[in-house]
Parts: sequence; C-alpha cells; structure tokens
Amino acid sequence: DIQVTQSPSSLSASVGDTVSITCRASQTIRTYLNWYQQKPGQAPNLLISAATSLQSGVPSRFSGSGSGTDFTLTISSLHPEDFATYYCQQGQIAPWTFGQGTKVDI
Amino acid sequence: QVELQESGPGLVTPSETLSLTCTISGGSISSGDHYWSWIRQSPGKGLEWLGYIYYTGNTYYNPSLRSRLFISVETSKNEFSLRLSAVTAADSAIYYCARQRTYVADFDLWGRGTLVAVSS
Repeated sequence: DIQVTQSPSSLSASVGDTVSITCRASQTIRTYLNWYQQKPGQAPNLLISAATSLQSGVPSRFSGSGSGTDFTLTISSLHPEDFATYYCQQGQIAPWTFGQGTKVDI
Repeated sequence: QVELQESGPGLVTPSETLSLTCTISGGSISSGDHYWSWIRQSPGKGLEWLGYIYYTGNTYYNPSLRSRLFISVETSKNEFSLRLSAVTAADSAIYYCARQRTYVADFDLWGRGTLVAVSS
C-alpha cells in the first residue's frame, strides 16, 4: 500500500494567519492527491482534487500544490470556519489511503 | 442534489456480521463516472477505505479486509450494501458511504456516517 504521511499532526493559528500542511507519499503518485476538510460530527468534505483543482464552492483562500511525492495545502488568511481537521488522500493506486490528519485550532 | 444515507444497526455482537446499506437520492447509482465506496473512521486507524462497487457489480476490496468483506449493489433500489463478517471490537467505527469519481479517485460526496459499535 502507498503510505501517506501528513505534517504537522496539529497546529495552532489565529484568524488571518496563513498556514500550510504537507503530505508526503511513500512512492510517486503523480498528481493523484486529494485534500479534505472535516469538522466535528461531520463527514469529510472534498476541498481540492488532483493536487491543485479547487472544488466548486470552496473559497479561493484554499490552494494545493505539488506532484510526485510531496504536496502542500495552503490556507491563506484563516477564517473562523477553517478551524477543522484536514486530510490528504492518494488516488494513484488502490487501496486508496489517507493521511492521519492535521488538526488546525486556535 | 444527490445525497447518500447510511442505514443499519448501531450495535453488532462480536463474531457476527455487520450489515449496512447506503441509499442514494437525487441521482442514479448507474452513473458510469462513479464508484460507490465504503470508508470507515476510528480513533485508532483514522480514515480507512474499505472497498467499492461499480453499478455493474464489479468490486474492489481493500486487501486487509478482502476475506471478510462483501459489497453488493441493488440498482433497482438505487442502493448498495456492505457486509463485514466475523467482526471484532477493532471494527467499531463510523462507517461512511461515499461517491468516488473514477478518473481522479477522489471522494466527492459522502453520507453523514453511521456509528457502529461491536460489543456483547
């Protein structure tokens, strides 16, 4: 299985900050990397697909970059509703695997 | 809009079979662009993809569960189902059904999830 490692596992930030979360795959996954946001009591919600493609309705302060094995999710100017847990997921080879999550809190 | 809804018992006895159903509303399970997946989430294992089914009945299972997992589809009812046999406490989790786009393998639509506890 392809292992997907996120860092950091948690971070503290303030409204207005810019934060970055990284995801590293154990082998190349080209751009088959997706990002999700999960709030307490809710299912994950797809933010970014194929490393850089912002999903419809997702604010432009979210962006993704990377290819191969190293990827980054950047949130510019954090809003209060952005405090949540973020997951990456590789879509290159089944079984599809997720990172362990990054909790963004105040 | 398309919605997914999981249903099934919230408590399963160890060694028994866990059965869940996902009902799709507002859209058709027979979409050629999507797989229909089961994913679970537990504090210990995080998010774990279990398997998917295509509307034709083709399936792919996570090798870690292949011997215990069975996913089926009922196109006439617009639903698909999961059966996980010989459950243990390690199978306690929130179970989600999700729609997966075939060409990028992302999960673009999720059900709300259902909590399943394995306990006697």
